[in-house]
Amino acid sequence: EDKVVQSPLSLVVHEGDTVTLNCSYEVTNFRSLLWYKQEKKAPTFLFMLTSSGIEKKSGRLSSILDKKELFSILNITATQTGDSAVYLCAVSSSGNTGKLIFGQGTTLQVKP
Amino acid sequence: EPEVTQTPSHQVTQMGQEVILRCVPISNHLYFYWYRQILGQKVEFLVSFYNNEISEKSEIFDDQFSVERPDGSNFTLKIRSTKLEDSAMYFCASSVRSEAFFGQGTRLTVV
Repeated sequence: EDKVVQSPLSLVVHEGDTVTLNCSYEVTNFRSLLWYKQEKKAPTFLFMLTSSGIEKKSGRLSSILDKKELFSILNITATQTGDSAVYLCAVSSSGNTGKLIFGQGTTLQVKP
Repeated sequence: EPEVTQTPSHQVTQMGQEVILRCVPISNHLYFYWYRQILGQKVEFLVSFYNNEISEKSEIFDDQFSVERPDGSNFTLKIRSTKLEDSAMYFCASSVRSEAFFGQGTRLTVV
């Protein structure tokens, strides 16, 4: 059965800290891995990763994929209170359905 | 910026009643989805829709559920006879391929 596992489940840091969120997966016919940020309602798209070792970066956020070890990390540097959210990892397998399998999420709280 | 829109934002219904959740996907997207998230749990796939037909559905998507694209813009999820356990946040999403964009969700409460 396809599975996505995120760790830690929750994390409390102070502003300015750097955090690393983890996502491991077991999926048949892997196609891509996606990171989303969920604040109150809708998951908002952050990154899509398809190739190993190529870092994707957006401001203070970055992510990388290791297809050999079947995991990805999401780094957030110089955290701000606005980074407080649930971070979701999802995996898409090949085929034409585009279905995403989500992990349970990591709840990040950034304290002032 | 184009976005997926969902209506209503919150719906309360009595057990056994039919509900229709509505979505307007991003206009040039080809794949449409419904996901649900029960409070405190992970986001779960319900169904994907491509080329005017269901391309994949999960075990959750039983005969009580149906989807429709009645015109060129709307995409609906119907639950025929709601149960208490259908209470959840329902998200519509659309994509060109894997990069799915989500709507703000409809919170369905079955009482």
